[in-house]
Amino acid sequence: EVQLLESGGDLVQPGGSLRLSCAVSGFAFSSYAMSWVRQAPGRGLEWVSLISGRDGKTHYADSVKGRFTISTDNSKNTLYLQMHSLRAEDTAIYYCARCYSSATPRPDYWGQGTLVTVSS
Amino acid sequence: DIQMTQSPSSLSASVGDRVTITCRASQGIGNFLAWFQQKSGKAPKSLIYAASSLQSGVPSKFSGSGSGTDFTLTISSLQPEDFATYYCQQYHSFPLTFGQGTRLEIK
Repeated sequence: EVQLLESGGDLVQPGGSLRLSCAVSGFAFSSYAMSWVRQAPGRGLEWVSLISGRDGKTHYADSVKGRFTISTDNSKNTLYLQMHSLRAEDTAIYYCARCYSSATPRPDYWGQGTLVTVSS
Repeated sequence: DIQMTQSPSSLSASVGDRVTITCRASQGIGNFLAWFQQKSGKAPKSLIYAASSLQSGVPSKFSGSGSGTDFTLTISSLQPEDFATYYCQQYHSFPLTFGQGTRLEIK
């Protein structure tokens, strides 16, 4: 059974940093691309970042480029999102999602999400 | 960036009805389109990929069609568990983009 479990969400001050984790099981982690998608309170879905399992190539939304870094640890079957210079507008539930591939980056399985709140 | 526009933004329907949601891309995306269902307070669930292919385990009451710039999601014989928000997403090119969502409510 495919499972994705996010953690690391917290209340953080503007300008602060946070690292989110997504532990996966039930599939060959390094064979898939993985994405982060976020949802601000009461808003729609916004894609944040993707990493290819095959070659480690990364992609970012303009809104987070230069501030967020996506990475994986294949030995731990874990996806990460390192977030720096956090802003109020980064407040959201962050979901990790398995994607078919980086060439066909359609999400098929989603985690339950972790809440990041940026506020003083 | 490719803009995705869904219509309507909200929709009221009754149990047993058939409804159609439309998603339009600002430029051609072939069939690189997915649909998702999100219930209140829950994570999204994948329904359809490649515009018309059903995700494993998704009932056949859900169907998708279209290519290029215009796409539709049709849900037949609505049941109480189908009332949710639906999103389309293009995965033709980065940045990946979602429609704004269509909220399906019980009439």
